[in-house]
Amino acid sequence: QKEVEQNSGPLSVPEGAIASLNCTYSDRVSQSFFWYRQYSGKSPELIMSIYSNGDKEDGRFTAQLNKASQYVSLLIRDSQPSDSATYLCAVTPRGNEKLTFGTGTRLTIIP
Amino acid sequence: KAGVTQTPRYLIKTRGQQVTLSCSPISGHRSVSWYQQTPGQGLQFLFEYFSETQRNKGNFPGRFSGRQFSNSRSEMNVSTLELGDSALYLCASSTGQSSYEQYFGPGTRLTVT
Repeated sequence: QKEVEQNSGPLSVPEGAIASLNCTYSDRVSQSFFWYRQYSGKSPELIMSIYSNGDKEDGRFTAQLNKASQYVSLLIRDSQPSDSATYLCAVTPRGNEKLTFGTGTRLTIIP
Repeated sequence: KAGVTQTPRYLIKTRGQQVTLSCSPISGHRSVSWYQQTPGQGLQFLFEYFSETQRNKGNFPGRFSGRQFSNSRSEMNVSTLELGDSALYLCASSTGQSSYEQYFGPGTRLTVT
């Protein structure tokens, strides 16, 4: 079982709709959770971090964490063509900088 | 505030050679982590340095090494290059405390021929 799993996609969503990206992780001691966006040919860009169970909202982005189910998700509201990218889920154990990444979900927003 | 910088941006090397990559973190950040990204394996953690000490290490052979200087700048070295070392090498910096949010540089694209 992979440590961090994501559906590789591609996930196609109409412009203006909600895009839902999911991630599961296997290590129960994972404490910090991150979503990165990576455009083709570019480096990953941090867009959300979440540390506690529940929802965290930042603009059009909402991260959701459920530690009991070992599940973290990212919702993108009012999707725009500029949101088309690969989204990477990453986790770290407590007090550790070692990010373990999923393989990423390729998201395409259809105008 | 300036972001993470990496030099060089592109490198072409021959099998058996060695290479050194450089990373300058965001001002005030004391932790630098290195990652390798390939289409087949995705993003994989190499190692992390904090205050000039290696604090974490991934599962890479000893040909991959690094160091950090007193100004937090970091270098990564790969010796005896193999074709499979062709990849995008990314460094990321963070404060190294509390939030562990890491910010990536643009990367160095290494091609081994």
